[in-house]
Parts: sequence; C-alpha cells; structure tokens
Amino acid sequence: DQQVKQNSPSLSVQEGRISILNCDYTNSMFDYFLWYKKYPAEGPTFLISISSIKDKNEDGRFTVFLNKSAKHLSLHIVPSQPGDSAVYFCAASASFSGGYNKLIFGAGTRLAVHP
Amino acid sequence: DAGVTQSPTHLIKTRGQQVTLRCSPKSGHDTVSWYQQALGQGPQFIFQYYEEEERQRGNFPDRFSGHQFPNYSSELNVNALLLGDSALYLCASNGGGSEKLFFGSGTQLSVL
Repeated sequence: DQQVKQNSPSLSVQEGRISILNCDYTNSMFDYFLWYKKYPAEGPTFLISISSIKDKNEDGRFTVFLNKSAKHLSLHIVPSQPGDSAVYFCAASASFSGGYNKLIFGAGTRLAVHP
Repeated sequence: DAGVTQSPTHLIKTRGQQVTLRCSPKSGHDTVSWYQQALGQGPQFIFQYYEEEERQRGNFPDRFSGHQFPNYSSELNVNALLLGDSALYLCASNGGGSEKLFFGSGTQLSVL
C-alpha cells in the first residue's frame, strides 16, 4: 500500500525554466510534508517542508504547494539550475499516531536540468 | 559540526550471515531512525530509537533489530540475511522536537 506516490520517475527541464515535481498521498492523517534531494553516493538532504495548516511555503527558488482536498503537493523550482539535477523525494508524516518523525517516502523523481 | 556518520560505507555478505551497521547522529540530536532504500524506491522506515529504546517500528521482520547507546549512537543488526536485504541502509537523526531528519550517506549492503 503506497501511501505517498510520485508518479513521474523522471523529469527533464531546460536551465532557467521552471521545474514542477508532483506528489500525491492517500492518508488523510498526514499533517506534515517534506521534500528531500538526493545526489548519488550521498544521503537525502532536506529541502523544504510544509505543515497541513498552510497551502504554500517558499524558500528562495523553491516553493511547495499543498492542496489538502486533492491530497496533492508540488515542488516548484524557479529558475532551474544544472546543480538541481538530483533525485527528489516527497515524504509525509502523521503526528497523531505517535508517528513522530516517521517519514513515509515516495519513490522519487529524477530531475535532469540541461543547459 | 559533523553531520550523521555511518559505517561501513559498503559491505558484502552471503545469505544466512549476520551484519551490524553503525551510526553516529548529528551533534545535539538524540533520536535515531533507520531506513532501507531498495534500488529504484524511496527509503522505507525500519525503526526509531529514543532514550535507548525502540519507539516505533515499521513493517520489518524481527530479523532486523537495533540498539541505541547512551551517547545516542546506534546500531542496526540484521540476522539470517536474505538476497532481498540488499539495499542502501540510511540512518537519520533529529532532535529538539524537529520534524526535519538529517541523513547519513548510508551503508550499501550487498547479499550474495
């Protein structure tokens, strides 16, 4: 039972354009969402997060949007840079169950930003 | 400030053997979680340790066990290794009630 889904395994974007990575979830009890970036031979690195009480969070070039009714979130990267090429994981957690910091991850989307 | 460190970086074992992976959390962090990442998939939660006790556990068999020491470092033990245990094992730490996990670079385990 995949509770967090990233349906696009890969995405290719031109440098300077917008990258949009999507994530869907099924568990309505999730109340905190995070995006992680992973380079080869490194562990995932935290990028940005959003609480379920918000619908948008922005940090520099990165913005996360949350649509609770659709159980959907997206990560926007503007402008995209070659250094953004990595695998991006969406993750969710539910604080109610004592699920403190137990993150459920999607399968990831490989982003390639080309010149 | 050292981040999360894991050892070894790579390990090759044969079926039926036992393995121990080690993790030191980021300075100031008291909670350690372990994740398994199979090829082409996202990390899957194995268990979490806090105050030297297992606080939560994912859907993994009892062959997977762990320990947390008074200095907050942790070990992951896997007994009776199966081919399907081949994966990248990630350790993550957090503290102070933050939801944000910091990950180590992982241990790549290959079971032959």
